[in-house]
Amino acid sequence: GEDVEQSLFLSVREGDSSVINCTYTDSSSTYLYWYKQEPGAGLQLLTYIFSNMDMKQDQRLTVLLNKKDKHLSLRIADTQTGDSAIYFCAERNTGTASKLTFGTGTRLQVTL
Amino acid sequence: NAGVTQTPKFQVLKTGQSMTLQCAQDMNHEYMSWYRQDPGMGLRLIHYSVGAGITDQGEVPNGYNVSRSTTEDFPLRLLSAAPSQTSVYFCASSDTGQSYEQYFGPGTRLTVT
Repeated sequence: GEDVEQSLFLSVREGDSSVINCTYTDSSSTYLYWYKQEPGAGLQLLTYIFSNMDMKQDQRLTVLLNKKDKHLSLRIADTQTGDSAIYFCAERNTGTASKLTFGTGTRLQVTL
Repeated sequence: NAGVTQTPKFQVLKTGQSMTLQCAQDMNHEYMSWYRQDPGMGLRLIHYSVGAGITDQGEVPNGYNVSRSTTEDFPLRLLSAAPSQTSVYFCASSDTGQSYEQYFGPGTRLTVT
C-alpha cells in the first residue's frame, strides 16, 4: 500500500528558510499536496504539485518534486513565527479523488 | 459559504455508548471523507463517499458506519465506543477541479473513557 514519511520535528530561526521533506512510495501518485495545521484547527491546503512538474513556486513557498527518488520538499523562505504549525504532505493517485494518504506531519517551530 | 462544518467540537463518551458525528458542506462537492488524527500517525482515512448513496471503506473502518443520503451531509456513526477511538476526527470534502483539493472541517475531539 501507499506510505508517506516525514521527519517529526524541525526548528528554525525567524528569517531563515525552512525545508520540510517527505518521501512516498506510490509511483502512481498524480498529485502531491502540502497542508498546514495550526493548533486546534483543521488542515489548510498550502499548495500542491502535479506529478509531471519538478517545481512550483507560490510567493514564499517552493515545492520541489523528485519523481525518480519519490521525494517531495517544501521550502518556506523568510520563515515567520506565524509559520509555526504542523505540515503534512499527502499524495493522491489516479481514480481516488476522495482518498489522500498523509504523512505523519512535521512540526515546525520558529524561534526568535 | 460556511464550507465544511462539524458538530460537536468536543465529546466525551463512556465505553459502549454510541453517537453520531455530524458533517455538512455547502459547496456542492461530490466527494466527502472522514479521517482520524492520532499523535505521530498523521491522518488515516476511515470512510469516504464519491456521491450521494455511495460509500466505501478507507484504511481504518472498523467500529464506524457512514451513510450519504444527501450531497450535503456525511455523518459518521460510532456503534459502540471504545477507548481506542479516542482521537480527533476530521471531515473533508473535495471539489472536482483539476487538483481535487480537499477542504477540511475544524474537527471533533472525542474522548472515550
